[in-house]
Amino acid sequence: DAKTTQPPSMDCAEGRAANLPCNHSTISGNEYVYWYRQIHSQGPQYIIHGLKNNETNEMASLIITEDRKSSTLILPHATLRDTAVYYCIVRALGETSGSRLTFGEGTQLTVNP
Amino acid sequence: KAGVTQTPRYLIKTRGQQVTLSCSPISGHRSVSWYQQTPGQGLQFLFEYFSETQRNKGNFPGRFSGRQFSNSRSEMNVSTLELGDSALYLCASSSLPGTGGEQFFGPGTRLTVL
Repeated sequence: DAKTTQPPSMDCAEGRAANLPCNHSTISGNEYVYWYRQIHSQGPQYIIHGLKNNETNEMASLIITEDRKSSTLILPHATLRDTAVYYCIVRALGETSGSRLTFGEGTQLTVNP
Repeated sequence: KAGVTQTPRYLIKTRGQQVTLSCSPISGHRSVSWYQQTPGQGLQFLFEYFSETQRNKGNFPGRFSGRQFSNSRSEMNVSTLELGDSALYLCASSSLPGTGGEQFFGPGTRLTVL
């Protein structure tokens, strides 16, 4: 699976949009971009994933650049409960990959009142 | 639908002992993966089971083992515990491995080795 690079920490004001960047310059054509987050001492939580088109769900939006070498997770109206470590993961699907997720160090997002 | 459950939630053991952790996946999910999380190494993949067969294994010594039962419940075992095995052990379930669906994580078991 491709390696990802994320800033170690970010701050955001409550109610504002949080934009979390991820660099994955060595991504392969069959690899998806996944985002998970982990609130302190809890299990990680799935947020969203995509291949090349932008994606949106009730939690967030995922913007993937046209060359797929980077992406941005957008939390449109951050709340205090969004304070967590956010992980950007790139993985291929298929039999050999299984369900394995390779976590990096992630970005600690702190939402301030 | 009930989430992934892990038991026990907290455990204290001494060096040299062995420990067994349990994970019950979401109903209908057949794939179970295990992860170890430590402050120094972060979240690391241990192994994955599907239909009672280990499909993937991370880079951990043979002291770490697991199994899956016909009802998809899974256990992992760590023998001859070392201080460095102190960690949060997380279990995740998904419907089918490799298909891209989200994985659901349990709350974890916090293991402390003294």
